Amino acid sequence: DTAVSQTPKYLVTQMGNDKSIKCEQNLGHDTMYWYKQDSKKFLKIMFSYNNKELIINETVPNRFSPKSPDKAHLNLHINSLELGDSAVYFCASSQRTGNEKLFFGSGTQLSVL
Amino acid sequence: AQSVTQLDSQVPVFEEAPVELRCNYSSSVSVYLFWYVQYPNQGLQLLLKYLSGSTLVKGINGFEAEFNKSQTSFHLRKPSVHISDTAEYFCAVSDYGSGNTGKLIFGQGTTLQVKP
Repeated sequence: DTAVSQTPKYLVTQMGNDKSIKCEQNLGHDTMYWYKQDSKKFLKIMFSYNNKELIINETVPNRFSPKSPDKAHLNLHINSLELGDSAVYFCASSQRTGNEKLFFGSGTQLSVL
Repeated sequence: AQSVTQLDSQVPVFEEAPVELRCNYSSSVSVYLFWYVQYPNQGLQLLLKYLSGSTLVKGINGFEAEFNKSQTSFHLRKPSVHISDTAEYFCAVSDYGSGNTGKLIFGQGTTLQVKP
């Protein structure tokens, strides 16, 4: 069983579209994250949720909206996609908020044309 | 504000040779330090972490790192690399001051290329 799974693995779409990326963890962790990795492999946190509560909200355009229906899921919805949104998006989880080990999903490669 | 600098973007090395990947950080508070590895087309995996105690930290796959507070460094080492160690390596820092949110700040990454 995959610990942190995200779907889809690849997402190709046109500018202006709305898309979602789903993430699920089966580790029983309290905290989940979304990270963005750009073309230069620079990795930056976008959001984190602890028990469905938003903890971290970095300077991210409000076109990006995370949704956590329960603590095992953290989905990322993106409205009005732009070329600059093209990146690899990683979901991650940790046992609790703090400085615990992060478990990462295998990433979603988003390409906006 | 914290930051992490990985001094080498690419490190080519021959198989069975030793390797050191350099990482420096800046922070006004005490920190936790991490090294993560990313194999091609995969997510990141934790190699090792320094929270407190002994400054020499041993991780998985034969890697180790040494925390040097005076030099604000946390360099990663392996005495003998394998082809399978070819990957992207990320150094990261997290504060544990007030308002700790567990946010990790990552360095730019170092590509380790192990040649036969």
